[in-house]
Amino acid sequence: EPEVTQTPSHQVTQMGQEVILRCVPISNHLYFYWYRQILGQKVEFLVSFYNNEISEKSEIFDDQFSVERPDGSNFTLKIRSTKLEDSAMYFCASRDRGRLNEQFFGPGTRLTVL
Amino acid sequence: GDSVTQMEGPVTLSEEAFLTINCTYTATGYPSLFWYVQYPGEGLQLLLKATKADDKGSNKGFEATYRKETTSFHLEKGSVQVSDSAVYFCALSITGANNLFFGTGTRLTVIP
Repeated sequence: EPEVTQTPSHQVTQMGQEVILRCVPISNHLYFYWYRQILGQKVEFLVSFYNNEISEKSEIFDDQFSVERPDGSNFTLKIRSTKLEDSAMYFCASRDRGRLNEQFFGPGTRLTVL
Repeated sequence: GDSVTQMEGPVTLSEEAFLTINCTYTATGYPSLFWYVQYPGEGLQLLLKATKADDKGSNKGFEATYRKETTSFHLEKGSVQVSDSAVYFCALSITGANNLFFGTGTRLTVIP
């Protein structure tokens, strides 16, 4: 069964460094998402992406964040200058056109900012 | 705003016990409601959903009924198995919106 994959599974970085989290959505899906979960808190929506542009973003998704679909398979989340409070589990998700709201999630990347 | 409040965990049950995980929601529109499950080392998987009031979602022995009058979507299973050990997330989305609103997740451990 097709699945969403994410790399790396765990990323450790120093405060102020740039990180890129990578996702490979399911191949025929058209809508892509990033969510995050700070330890002990809710899973929070960050951004959605369709047709090579951001379709919706939350207040969390400020200028430090960006997303890109650099080729036909990858979907990346970049944090330009990480802060301690960016430490969280980041989930990528995708869905196809016909199945509204049934998003398929990857296993997540745990980001630790020191 | 739109939000989900989920029962705090962790929950530990013996095999064959009855499971209830409470979930209530606040929404400005008419949400669809979901339960996602995350097994160790895997992504969140859709377990069941309900798109309108009084709908019952069911899958793998789990059930949840969309109760508009109590704004709830409690997850139940009559007899849990060790393989049900996972983290369970309640979520909602507003029709037409892109994103899901999640609860904090409830970790369930089932012991033999």
